[in-house]
Amino acid sequence: EVQLVESGGGLVQPGGSLRLSCAASGFTFNNYWMSWVRQAPGKGLEWVANIKQDGSGMFYVDSVKGRFTISRDNAKNSLFLQMNSLRAEDTAVYYCARDRQSSGYEHDYWGQGTLVTISS
Amino acid sequence: DIQLTQSPSFLSASIGDGVTITCRASQGISSYLAWYQQKPGKAPNLLIYAASALQSGVPSRFSASGSGTEFILTISSLQPEDFATYYCQQLNRYPLTFGGGTKVEIK
Repeated sequence: EVQLVESGGGLVQPGGSLRLSCAASGFTFNNYWMSWVRQAPGKGLEWVANIKQDGSGMFYVDSVKGRFTISRDNAKNSLFLQMNSLRAEDTAVYYCARDRQSSGYEHDYWGQGTLVTISS
Repeated sequence: DIQLTQSPSFLSASIGDGVTITCRASQGISSYLAWYQQKPGKAPNLLIYAASALQSGVPSRFSASGSGTEFILTISSLQPEDFATYYCQQLNRYPLTFGGGTKVEIK
C-alpha cells in the first residue's frame, strides 16, 4: 500500500525557517517525480514544487522561488521542503504527492498534510 | 502562467441529479488535465487524468472530456459521497496550476 506521511509543520514567526519531510513507502520511491502542494485555510490548491527521480531537476511556483528548496533522499525514501524567509501568505496545509506520468504528471497519491502557520 | 477557470464555483444538487463542471484554460493544454475530488479535512483524490481517463477505483458515474482549452467533468447520478469540492489541474506547462474549485453541496 502506497503511503506518504508528512511531518515538520508548526508555528513559525515571519522570516523564519522550517523543514518539511515526507516519508514514502509501498512503492519504488526513486521511480517517481514527487511534488509539494499547499492549501491555505479555506482556499484552493496551489502546486508548490516538484523534483525529478534522481534529484537532478526541480521546478517551483514563482512565489517560492529563492526561498523554498525541494530535495529528496532516495536511500531513505524521503522528500523534503526547506522553507526559508517565511511569510504570512505561506500559511497552509502542505501535502506531499506522488507524480505519476501518464500524459502529464498527475498526483495519484497524497499524504494527509502538515499544517504550517506563519504568525508573530 | 496558465490560468484555469472553473464554473460554477458552487452548485447545489440533489441525490440522483446529474451535474457538469467546466474548466477553461487560458491557453491550449492539449489533454494535460486532471480532476481531483476533495472532502473537508482530507487530501485531494485523483479522479481523472489525461482529460478523460478514469483513475482506477473511481466509480463509472464520473466521466470527463475535452481538449485544448475547454474541459468538462460530469457526475451522472450524484451519490451522498460525491458532495465535495472538485478541482481541475493543468499538467502541460510549469508552474502546474489548479482551477479555483467547484463546491458541490446537497440541495
